[in-house]
Amino acid sequence: KQEVTQIPAALSVPEGENLVLNCSFTDSAIYNLQWFRQDPGKGLTSLLLIQSSQREQTSGRLNASLDKSSGRSTLYIAASQPGDSATYLCAAPTGGSQGNLIFGKGTKLSVKP
Amino acid sequence: DAGVIQSPRHEVTEMGQEVTLRCKPISGHNSLFWYRQTMMRGLELLIYFNNNVPIDDSGMPEDRFSAKMPNASFSTLKIQPSEPRDSAVYFCASSFQGPGELFFGEGSRLTVL
Repeated sequence: KQEVTQIPAALSVPEGENLVLNCSFTDSAIYNLQWFRQDPGKGLTSLLLIQSSQREQTSGRLNASLDKSSGRSTLYIAASQPGDSATYLCAAPTGGSQGNLIFGKGTKLSVKP
Repeated sequence: DAGVIQSPRHEVTEMGQEVTLRCKPISGHNSLFWYRQTMMRGLELLIYFNNNVPIDDSGMPEDRFSAKMPNASFSTLKIQPSEPRDSAVYFCASSFQGPGELFFGEGSRLTVL
């Protein structure tokens, strides 16, 4: 059974810092891995989707990497801004299931001006 | 596209009452998911449909919960009778193909008194 863990649970950084959020998963037989952002009281917004054949994906200041063999993914945020403050969640499918995404508990990021 | 649309956004009801949550997926998406989010357990998949057919309902807590997808543009999640422990935010999400990029609605916040 897939388990997804995210560390740290919370992170506070000053504006302008580069930062890395970590995600680990136990079942490496995944089709893809997704990173989401959730603002308070809102739904989840898809940030990046990495297919199993890819090693990384980039969107603006965000870069996500995937290492299936070690069961790890990282989300790199460059030059952080106060508007980046949110909870970031990663999700991986369970082995053998095409649709059942297992979510981590998220990392709550606070970027101080 | 308007995105995934959920209603109601907020529902307050008394224990024992029937609750119906509604979802309209993004047009063209053929996979639909119902998730529940609580502080204690995070995001949990309740059920997902592919081409209107329930594929995995192993996350449905008990017989009080039921979900239907009568056509490609509408789904309901029903709780009857509701209990205080059902209080949570219920999210609907859709994707094009099961393991594709997932798009979430804004959620329905349910409070059962």
